[in-house]
Amino acid sequence: NAGVTQTPKFQVLKTGQSMTLQCAQDMNHEYMSWYRQDPGMGLRLIHYSVGAGITDQGEVPNGYNVSRSTTEDFPLRLLSAAPSQTSVYFCASRTQPNEQFFGPGTRLTVL
Amino acid sequence: DQQVKQNSPSLSVQEGRISILNCDYTNSMFDYFLWYKKYPAEGPTFLISISSIKDKNEDGRFTVFLNKSAKHLSLHIVPSQPGDSAVYFCAASYNNNDMRFGAGTRLTVKP
Repeated sequence: NAGVTQTPKFQVLKTGQSMTLQCAQDMNHEYMSWYRQDPGMGLRLIHYSVGAGITDQGEVPNGYNVSRSTTEDFPLRLLSAAPSQTSVYFCASRTQPNEQFFGPGTRLTVL
Repeated sequence: DQQVKQNSPSLSVQEGRISILNCDYTNSMFDYFLWYKKYPAEGPTFLISISSIKDKNEDGRFTVFLNKSAKHLSLHIVPSQPGDSAVYFCAASYNNNDMRFGAGTRLTVKP
């Protein structure tokens, strides 16, 4: 049981480049979420999904897209990276009611 | 707006003493509250939770107290150990929807 896995662990982008952060879970959880962690801001919700084919916006969705074609995978896409998107990104999955399992994180730097 | 607030960015306690971490929230719809612990370069891990129908939940050295009228919860760690040194995040959700996190409190337990 690998839990929640994220790739890559580190990434450096130039402004305007696009990329996809990968997230996968093998616990058959319905709920999956993406968060970003910034100093003094805690964890802020970007997008979340309550099941395959269903996604919704969180607190800070601008500049990010998601899709959920399978229960296992929940990729996060940056279409045109900006320096403000420099952050540590965490993917999480959960069952009901609420305990979430987090991945190890992806540290993204946008130059 | 930040619906979950942790106003103390850091806390330092002596080994063996009690650690008390505080959290305030503004959304009266929240019905489930959690505490997560995070070590550097790792994802947050679930520590303890409490439903809004309770005012206390214990798990070993960890106890969470909820005061709904004050919209306040706290995490007590007794006795504190050096291995407890980490960043602690308070989180809240309602109706099993997206989860909101506080900014975190860095706990240092001195030997």
